[in-house]
Amino acid sequence: QQQVKQSPQSLIVQKGGISIINCAYENTAFDYFPWYQQFPGKGPALLIAIRPDVSEKKEGRFTISFNKSAKQFSLHIMDSQPGDSATYFCAATYTFGGATNKLIFGTGTLLAVQP
Amino acid sequence: NAGVTQTPKFRVLKTGQSMTLLCAQDMNHEYMYWYRQDPGMGLRLIHYSVGEGTTAKGEVPDGYNVSRLKKQNFLLGLESAAPSQTSVYFCASSYLSRGLAGGSSYEQYFGPGTRLTVT
Repeated sequence: QQQVKQSPQSLIVQKGGISIINCAYENTAFDYFPWYQQFPGKGPALLIAIRPDVSEKKEGRFTISFNKSAKQFSLHIMDSQPGDSATYFCAATYTFGGATNKLIFGTGTLLAVQP
Repeated sequence: NAGVTQTPKFRVLKTGQSMTLLCAQDMNHEYMYWYRQDPGMGLRLIHYSVGEGTTAKGEVPDGYNVSRLKKQNFLLGLESAAPSQTSVYFCASSYLSRGLAGGSSYEQYFGPGTRLTVT
């Protein structure tokens, strides 16, 4: 059962534009929502993460927007650059109690930023 | 500091053959994980370990076995490979609890992957 739904599957953005990737989750016990970035031939790497007690987190050109009531969160890449071309995965987990930090990943979004 | 390493990088197996994928980490992480990545499916957890000598099933454990005899190593075994196990396999590791050096306690550090083809 897919607990984290991600869209779109692929995205083409012009250099300097805004890239937006959306995710929705089902399990209200989730309390940690990271985004991972994966370049071809490499393993995923943590890009940015948010907890549900804040509605937005910004790191440089990357921003996570979080809507707890709608159970949705999104990644915004401002001033997108060709070097941002990669696959992006949203994920969710819960961290309290005896949690084992098992991440539930979305299906991924292939982003291509055209020069 | 090599981080998370995986061997081999590529492997081709015939149906029914067996093999072991090795994951090693030098960050003294308690938790280790094995994922498979398939097109359109994202990353799915196969097995994981919360410490030396302990393992547990993830989302898609059938056809795989694991062992964690040493804290720094996590082995993934395929006893009788099937074409459905053609995939890219990633190992990851993370800290047990907040406060340790290296940043967020919940970040998983991934290896470079092993591309396995079963014919």
